Amino acid sequence: EDQVTQSPEALRLQEGESSSLNCSYTVSGLRGLFWYRQDPGKGPEFLFTLYSAGEEKEKERLKATLTKKESFLHITAPKPEDSATYLCAIEPLGAGNMLTFGGGTRLMVKP
Amino acid sequence: DVKVTQSSRYLVKRTGEKVFLECVQDMDHENMFWYRQDPGLGLRLIYFSYDVKMKEKGDIPEGYSVSREKKERFSLILESASTNQTSMYLCASSQTRVRRNEQFFGPGTRLTVL
Repeated sequence: EDQVTQSPEALRLQEGESSSLNCSYTVSGLRGLFWYRQDPGKGPEFLFTLYSAGEEKEKERLKATLTKKESFLHITAPKPEDSATYLCAIEPLGAGNMLTFGGGTRLMVKP
Repeated sequence: DVKVTQSSRYLVKRTGEKVFLECVQDMDHENMFWYRQDPGLGLRLIYFSYDVKMKEKGDIPEGYSVSREKKERFSLILESASTNQTSMYLCASSQTRVRRNEQFFGPGTRLTVL
């Protein structure tokens, strides 16, 4: 069964304190892995798609990486406005764009 | 920019009422999805559609139905609302591509059933 596990569930950082969020997955064949950001009471906002092991994508203070078993979302020198829940999702091969989501990591950045 | 809109941000209904949630996307996407999101349970797929008048059940279709009469519009229907359907409902759309097939989400509808 396809599965996505995100850790930690919650992460508190001081402003400027870099860290990484983990997304571990099990799937027979991966078509793509997606990262989203979700603010309270709003819909998820698309961040990145990764398709193959070794691929990296960057956007401002965020960098996503992918291996055959997991993905990391690295946050460099975070600011309070980076506080949100970060969701990871996988699209298995043959799933017809259906995604399996992880439970998310709630990030809180204190000034 | 892709835009997905949902008809209401907040909705309060009574048990037994028929509830319609509307979703519209403006990017000519083939695929549309309805999810519900609950604390501790994450995002769960209710129904999805690959084309007009086509629908497929997701993981939790019981108590729900959908309608897709036009490509840009996907409606979720609660035939007889119950308190356990109180939740955040999210609509998403995507295109059918090998690449650039990410799902784009609407702002969500917070439904409370009393």
